[in-house]
Amino acid sequence: DAGVIQSPRHEVTEMGQEVTLRCKPISGHDYLFWYRQTMMRGLELLIYFNNNVPIDDSGMPEDRFSAKMPNASFSTLKIQPSEPRDSAVYFCASSSQGAGANVLTFGAGSRLTVL
Amino acid sequence: GEDVEQSLFLSVREGDSSVINCTYTDSSSTYLYWYKQEPGAGLQLLTYIFSNMDMKQDQRLTVLLNKKDKHLSLRIADTQTGDSAIYFCAEISNRDDKIIFGKGTRLHILP
Repeated sequence: DAGVIQSPRHEVTEMGQEVTLRCKPISGHDYLFWYRQTMMRGLELLIYFNNNVPIDDSGMPEDRFSAKMPNASFSTLKIQPSEPRDSAVYFCASSSQGAGANVLTFGAGSRLTVL
Repeated sequence: GEDVEQSLFLSVREGDSSVINCTYTDSSSTYLYWYKQEPGAGLQLLTYIFSNMDMKQDQRLTVLLNKKDKHLSLRIADTQTGDSAIYFCAEISNRDDKIIFGKGTRLHILP
């Protein structure tokens, strides 16, 4: 398996533009998590899915953020409109509860810069 | 709510032992984890411990868990330059499946 695949790796956009980040989890994993990493706040959990269903989105900062998981192999995190304070590295991670310890496998991250 | 705290920086001489500490608040945590993040990369699992264990050893890594004090530590023996990274402590609650991370401890290796 190629691991968790995220795209794009880097995105630079202007304030007000729509940003879509994509994630392909590991095949067979039933959990998918979106995290945001900044120097100030560290690693924040934004939302997670179980079997494609959003379970907890309490970490999503505002209505400008939305996430979907239309099928078991794809998820998107959308920011519309984007603001400079959204600049961060966004990580997707997947796991399988059946494995017991629910160990996360992270993607390489998408570095977003909003000018 | 859940909270995981760790110091932000640690400097250690090459060859010495590194000890990274973490405290957590959720007494229902079932598993506690240590992840490592190298520059420009995602987090990778180093090791984890089940909450009914006190200690786990894996080669140069030793994890100690004090459940009464909600304190977790990671000891890296014979620290090498390749150990330079950010180390994250994390917990998963028995109540839900959220995995909450600390802010990470940046380990700096001195020559």
